[in-house]
Amino acid sequence: EDKVVQSPLSLVVHEGDTVTLNCSYEVTNFRSLLWYKQEKKAPTFLFMLTSSGIEKKSGRLSSILDKKELFSILNITATQTGDSAVYLCAVERDNDMRFGAGTRLTVKP
Amino acid sequence: NAGVTQTPKFQVLKTGQSMTLQCAQDMNHEYMSWYRQDPGMGLRLIHYSVGAGITDQGEVPNGYNVSRSTTEDFPLRLLSAAPSQTSVYFCASSTGASGDDNEQFFGPGTRLTVL
Repeated sequence: EDKVVQSPLSLVVHEGDTVTLNCSYEVTNFRSLLWYKQEKKAPTFLFMLTSSGIEKKSGRLSSILDKKELFSILNITATQTGDSAVYLCAVERDNDMRFGAGTRLTVKP
Repeated sequence: NAGVTQTPKFQVLKTGQSMTLQCAQDMNHEYMSWYRQDPGMGLRLIHYSVGAGITDQGEVPNGYNVSRSTTEDFPLRLLSAAPSQTSVYFCASSTGASGDDNEQFFGPGTRLTVL
């Protein structure tokens, strides 16, 4: 059965820490892996990864995909309280997307 | 562009009632989908559509119907609401193309409570 598993489920850090969020998957007809940040309402898009080993970067956030080992990581350096959110990993298949349960990140001042 | 809009934002139903959650997008996206989000379970795909006139079932389709008569609109119908359908519902759209152009855009969500 297709699945997307995120770890840890929750994480509490202090401002300035670096965090790594994990997403492993087993799906058929893989097209891409996406990361989203969800605060109070709808998820907002962070990254789309289609190729192994190519890091995508946006400010303090970066992500990489390993299609051989079937996982991706999302790194956040120098965390800020505004990074507190649920981070969702999703795997796009041919015609749909399967989401993980999310990692709830809390950044304390 | 308004992006993806959903109505209503909140709804309370009694068991057995029916209702339609509305979703519209003005980005000319071919692909539209409905998700439900429950605590600790992430987003689960209910139904999706790859273009006007074409719909298909997702991961959790039971109890829901959809139709796609236009590119812009993708309503989700609950024919006989059940307490298990209490959830937050998100509509999303994308171009459906492969690669970086296929970012999904989400609506603001509808919080549904079934008593």
